[in-house]
Amino acid sequence: GIQVEQSPPDLILQEGANSTLRCNFSDSVNNLQWFHQNPWGQLINLFYIPSGTKQNGRLSATTVATERYSLLYISSSQTTDSGVYFCAVNTGNQFYFGTGTSLTVIP
Amino acid sequence: DAGVTQSPTHLIKTRGQHVTLRCSPISGHKSVSWYQQVLGQGPQFIFQYYEKEERGRGNFPDRFSARQFPNYSSELNVNALLLGDSALYLCASSSGRTDTQYFGPGTRLTVL
Repeated sequence: GIQVEQSPPDLILQEGANSTLRCNFSDSVNNLQWFHQNPWGQLINLFYIPSGTKQNGRLSATTVATERYSLLYISSSQTTDSGVYFCAVNTGNQFYFGTGTSLTVIP
Repeated sequence: DAGVTQSPTHLIKTRGQHVTLRCSPISGHKSVSWYQQVLGQGPQFIFQYYEKEERGRGNFPDRFSARQFPNYSSELNVNALLLGDSALYLCASSSGRTDTQYFGPGTRLTVL
């Protein structure tokens, strides 16, 4: 199956700092989503972004499908941004989640 | 509109037992997918159902089965439970097969 790797695996930021999370995938995909999993396990949909760039407040994402990667940008981080960030791809009849980036934002 | 709902919230079973987990999708969504998330790992895809038919299956043993009802709700069944089945089971719904997925809060299963 397809390999979905995220980097970095862990990230500690001071409140107010910016960060970039990366998602690499090993084969062509139909779509890509970014999720934030809060400490209670709830997966929150951030972006549905098979290609191009989207922005939502302090978050933005870019997917370059031809080069098989996606980036999630977090600006002016807040403590509520803490949690695990996953990218997930769909290959038609299979869904694959990445390895995740655990983000801790300290005040 | 209500989001994806799952029941029960928590469940404790013993090895060898059977379990049924339930999921109600967002109104108007016709696709339901199931995932298993073991502590410290990302979710693993188990099944996708769309229009009441199985459309995708992950690498899970035959002890795992599912179905989708005419109202698009879904059940995940696991037979002959093993300790390794302890996990958070997540359900996601979407309008179509490859559209944006929205996740429910999950069912936390503990097998003793």
